[in-house]
Amino acid sequence: AQSVTQLGSHVSVSEGALVLLRCNYSSSVPPYLFWYVQYPNQGLQLLLKYTSAATLVKGINGFEAEFKKSETSFHLTKPSAHMSDAAEYFCAVSGPGGYNKLIFGAGTRLAVHP
Amino acid sequence: DADVTQTPRNRITKTGKRIMLECSQTKGHDRMYWYRQDPGLGLRLIYYSFDVKDINKGEISDGYSVSRQAQAKFSLSLESAIPNQTALYFCATSDQRDSQETQYFGPGTRLLVL
Repeated sequence: AQSVTQLGSHVSVSEGALVLLRCNYSSSVPPYLFWYVQYPNQGLQLLLKYTSAATLVKGINGFEAEFKKSETSFHLTKPSAHMSDAAEYFCAVSGPGGYNKLIFGAGTRLAVHP
Repeated sequence: DADVTQTPRNRITKTGKRIMLECSQTKGHDRMYWYRQDPGLGLRLIYYSFDVKDINKGEISDGYSVSRQAQAKFSLSLESAIPNQTALYFCATSDQRDSQETQYFGPGTRLLVL
């Protein structure tokens, strides 16, 4: 069975600081991995996805994530946080080869302070 | 205009009432999903549909039913609402032609059951 663990339900950083949101997954098949962002009172928006083409994936708004099979991790990073990055971030996993059912982590709420 | 819309955006109801949440999409996608989001639990899949004649239970389908009225419309019903169904509900779509089947989310319906 597939599962996702996001370490840290709340992360707080200063504006301009590095953002690191952690995600570890469990999957018996090569996974597809996703990061979604949810801004207040909005739906989920796709930030980036890993689909085995490249281990370092670049997404929107300056975010990127690196797939590390040996660590079963897919951590999300951004070199310099902006106030507008404050949101909730969800890591999700699905398997290839047929029906796509996303399994979500519990989410990490990112706060950015001046 | 948004590609995936949900109505209503907010709903308050009483225990025992039947309610329906509606989802419409203009993306032309064949696959549609209903999730619920609870704090600290991420998103969990309630039902999914891969075409008009295909309906499947998700992780937490008890107490819910769905109807796929057309390719573009997928409704979620609570036959007899109970307080622990208070949550944020999301509809999503995906395209079977996309091998990774990225999912696209609506803005959500916030439901309060008293």
